Amino acid sequence: QVQLVQSGAEVKKPGSSVKVSCKASGGTFSSYAISWVRQAPGQGLEWMGGIIPIFGTANYAQKFQGRVTITTDESTSTAYMELSSLRSEDTAVYYCARDLGSGFAHWFDPWGQGTLVTVSS
Amino acid sequence: DIQMTQSPSSLSASVGDRVTITCRASQSISSYLNWYQQKPGKAPKLLIYAASSLQSGVPSRFSGSGSGTDFTLTISSLQPEDFATYYCQQSYSTSITFGQGTRLEIK
Repeated sequence: QVQLVQSGAEVKKPGSSVKVSCKASGGTFSSYAISWVRQAPGQGLEWMGGIIPIFGTANYAQKFQGRVTITTDESTSTAYMELSSLRSEDTAVYYCARDLGSGFAHWFDPWGQGTLVTVSS
Repeated sequence: DIQMTQSPSSLSASVGDRVTITCRASQSISSYLNWYQQKPGKAPKLLIYAASSLQSGVPSRFSGSGSGTDFTLTISSLQPEDFATYYCQQSYSTSITFGQGTRLEIK
């Protein structure tokens, strides 16, 4: 059974960067995609982008293009999401999730426990 | 981006009630529609994928239907553990989007 465990909470200054990790256990890491979704306090879910480890190519939501980088390290079964030029509006819980399906079909299960990133001066 | 609009935004219901939540896409998304449940302080949980397929381990009181632009999530008989926020999600577009959520509260 696949389990995703994320790194701990972060507090960052505006203009800095944050890198959140997501370590997978169970299953074959390189065979499935990983997506990142964030949730601002009291708000809904927002997809940021995803990556298929075996291909190493990422697809990003247009809103985050140029600011987000999603990578993987197959040797440690870990995915990373780095967000740069942080602003207060980036304060949110960041989730990784296994991205199932293929072609047009993408659904997310399971999810990591979430990582709270707080951007504050 | 494809806009996903859920209705209602919030809903009060009682244990044992039958509840339906609607999700409408701004353009046709075929059956590329999924439903999630989220409880406070927890990660979302997949309930339904591909519009009507029940995820393994999810109780059969949950069901999904629809195609094109209009979709529904139905809970046939509400249980105490079902009070949560529900989200739809489309993947027809390469830019995946979620609905704004429907908060299901105890009456």
